[in-house]
Amino acid sequence: EPEVTQTPSHQVTQMGQEVILRCVPISNHLYFYWYRQILGQKVEFLVSFYNNEISEKSEIFDDQFSVERPDGSNFTLKIRSTKLEDSAMYFCASSETRNTEAFFGQGTRLTVV
Amino acid sequence: QKEVEQDPGPLSVPEGAIVSLNCTYSNSAFQYFMWYRQYSRKGPELLMYTYSSGNKEDGRFTAQVDKSSKYISLFIRDSQPSDSATYLCATRKGGSQGNLIFGKGTKLSVKP
Repeated sequence: EPEVTQTPSHQVTQMGQEVILRCVPISNHLYFYWYRQILGQKVEFLVSFYNNEISEKSEIFDDQFSVERPDGSNFTLKIRSTKLEDSAMYFCASSETRNTEAFFGQGTRLTVV
Repeated sequence: QKEVEQDPGPLSVPEGAIVSLNCTYSNSAFQYFMWYRQYSRKGPELLMYTYSSGNKEDGRFTAQVDKSSKYISLFIRDSQPSDSATYLCATRKGGSQGNLIFGKGTKLSVKP
């Protein structure tokens, strides 16, 4: 069964460093999303991406964050100058259309020290 | 007022019990409602999806939406130990099915 894959599963980074989280969405999907889940808190929407541009973003998704589809298969989330409070699980998701189910990856646990 | 509220539990039931999980939401404009299941250290997995009011059944699972009271429910019949997970309610906020607002999740444990 097709699935969304995320790498790495766990990343540790020093405060102030840049990190790139990687995702391979399901191959025929056109809509891509990033979410985060701080330990013990809700899963929170960050951004949606379609046709090579951001279609929606939350107030969390500030200038520190950026997304990119660098090639035909990968979808990345870049966090510039990480802060301690960026420590969280980051989930990538994709959907075939804007009205069909979003499938989630297994997540990347980001730890900022 | 939070947009989606959910009692985080935990909830512990014996195998075979009927489980009732509930959420409330604040915005009457919300139309799409979902229940996700999340196992420990995994991504959310869609269980049920309903549009507007009414019931939807899928095997042992029934999702119910009452728009008049802004209340959504998930019922699990004949619960199994494999149902032990965190259950997240969600509603679609934006223009796509991936722009979701989640509840905090209810952790369910089904004891054999």
